Amino acid sequence: DAKTTQPPSMDCAEGRAANLPCNHSTISGNEYVYWYRQIHSQGPQYIIHGLKNNETNEMASLIITEDRKSSTLILPHATLRDTAVYYCIVRVAKDDKIIFGKGTRLHILP
Amino acid sequence: DGGITQSPKYLFRKEGQNVTLSCEQNLNHDAMYWYRQDPGQGLRLIYYSQIVNDFQKGDIAEGYSVSREKKESFPLTVTSAQKNPTAFYLCASSVGGWDTGELFFGEGSRLTVL
Repeated sequence: DAKTTQPPSMDCAEGRAANLPCNHSTISGNEYVYWYRQIHSQGPQYIIHGLKNNETNEMASLIITEDRKSSTLILPHATLRDTAVYYCIVRVAKDDKIIFGKGTRLHILP
Repeated sequence: DGGITQSPKYLFRKEGQNVTLSCEQNLNHDAMYWYRQDPGQGLRLIYYSQIVNDFQKGDIAEGYSVSREKKESFPLTVTSAQKNPTAFYLCASSVGGWDTGELFFGEGSRLTVL
């Protein structure tokens, strides 16, 4: 079973920041938080990952709470091309059994 | 360009037939994975392999088989024992080992059983 819980869907207005939450209350100290997204009928695409510090790259920012039991993926200026299913997963560095949940379907509204 | 290639992109099969989906990567990755996706659902792990000549069952391995004879190749056979094989199949790879790098996915193979 997936170790994360995400809302099934969210809406965001184009140009606004999209904040996607993820709960991982049973996360252990050596597990990383990863985010992927899947645009319809394509393979998922890696977005970002982190352990305990907040991370930022050209696509998004990842905010992890101090207790590491939840995190938020932030797309700073959402566009229509960000419409996709977003998956939050947790895994240890040497864990090859990578389990995905059902993700959050993000709708960007024009 | 480096990446993962899945073929065929679309495949139709009659009930009772085995079919093999190809997955090739030129990223020099040790770890490879097969996932199944049904409409409106997340990805479910079928099999994964950490090194050549070794692989492990995922959560839904029944009715599937794999081989890992070469580092760059991880074909998946959907056997006639798989009761509901119509689905979207995704192959992925990662560096493996202690690396915390991401999964790289192929574009998927859509299998329809007639």
